[in-house]
Amino acid sequence: DAKTTQPPSMDCAEGRAANLPCNHSTISGNEYVYWYRQIHSQGPQYIIHGLKNNETNEMASLIITEDRKSSTLILPHATLRDTAVYYCIVRVSSGGSNYKLTFGKGTLLTVNP
Amino acid sequence: DAGVTQSPTHLIKTRGQHVTLRCSPISGHKSVSWYQQVLGQGPQFIFQYYEKEERGRGNFPDRFSARQFPNYSSELNVNALLLGDSALYLCASSLPGGRETQYFGPGTRLLVL
Repeated sequence: DAKTTQPPSMDCAEGRAANLPCNHSTISGNEYVYWYRQIHSQGPQYIIHGLKNNETNEMASLIITEDRKSSTLILPHATLRDTAVYYCIVRVSSGGSNYKLTFGKGTLLTVNP
Repeated sequence: DAGVTQSPTHLIKTRGQHVTLRCSPISGHKSVSWYQQVLGQGPQFIFQYYEKEERGRGNFPDRFSARQFPNYSSELNVNALLLGDSALYLCASSLPGGRETQYFGPGTRLLVL
């Protein structure tokens, strides 16, 4: 399984952009990068995913390097409610066209007032 | 639209007992996955079911089993509970196919005494 490396923690000031890095140097060509976040004791919340191109939705932007060995999740205007553990995941097949998510320990993002 | 629902929300059992956890997927989703999250760690993949068949299994002992029903809801069963089975059990549902995103429920917190 492709592994990801994330910093254990990061701080961000409220209203500023939060840039969360992730390394996935062993990713295969057809494996997607997914980002989820988990607020204390809740289920993980899907944020965004991508394969090769940069992606943007109402929550965040995902920047994937050309060699696909790393990516950055960008929260453009962080709020206190964005304080959570952010997981960068390379989705791998669990058999056929079915997939599983392999979570690491993620990055604890703390947004400060 | 209702998201993934899980029941019960909390459960306390003693060692040696068995437990059944339930999950209802998002309407229209046909695939259900189960994850275990122990305190301080990311979720770990247990099972994936699609069309009532097991499509993937993580590194968990045979004490863990699951099934999926015709309405795509699912049950996770754990026999002979150990203290180490204390965790948040998460269910995720998704559409089948090559690009499906898994959406998580709130989880069931199991405490084994």
